[in-house]
Amino acid sequence: DSGVTQTPKHLITATGQRVTLRCSPRSGDLSVYWYQQSLDQGLQFLIQYYNGEERAKGNILERFSAQQFPDLHSELNLSSLELGDSALYFCASNRDGFYEQYFGPGTRLTVT
Amino acid sequence: EDQVTQSPEALRLQEGESSSLNCSYTVSGLRGLFWYRQDPGKGPEFLFTLYSAGEEKEKERLKATLTKKESFLHITAPKPEDSATYLCAVQDRRETSGSRLTFGEGTQLTVNP
Repeated sequence: DSGVTQTPKHLITATGQRVTLRCSPRSGDLSVYWYQQSLDQGLQFLIQYYNGEERAKGNILERFSAQQFPDLHSELNLSSLELGDSALYFCASNRDGFYEQYFGPGTRLTVT
Repeated sequence: EDQVTQSPEALRLQEGESSSLNCSYTVSGLRGLFWYRQDPGKGPEFLFTLYSAGEEKEKERLKATLTKKESFLHITAPKPEDSATYLCAVQDRRETSGSRLTFGEGTQLTVNP
């Protein structure tokens, strides 16, 4: 158990809908990262937050957005969902001075 | 753009048969190279961080090494429970990159009893 929690574990929704994925980092970790893992693209970085501020952005679609709240939990919002958005979404966290990231169990999103 | 290439894509070993996994990387300035283990449907589990060429890290049957262009994950006398996908990732020093990890596609290891 990495100490990073994600909810829900599974999400099934229809095209065009909007969903919110939630992540709680390890205690003491200020940085939160979101990654997408699909069968054809491997693990891809989406976005990083540090203590409530956006720090870095990857190839995150405009339909996707994220935020980190004062209690350091983070949410990833996915809207106008398409079939191709079906994937595993992972959250990771780390603390200042340490570069390794610890991953949560993921949310499996299925868009039908 | 940072790139990570892992080989082979898949590897089948008999229990006790040692082997190595390769990770080749291109990065503008390496901050760290990371190895993770991932079981099906689970989140990646951190194994090692390597920071500079010549560095080695060991944990049980696993040993990771680093050169300026590649890293190897050596598996000595593997057991069936070592079966998993092993992921390599790099982090570069550029401010604009934040602390993102760039992952390779992974090597799927199967160890038969």
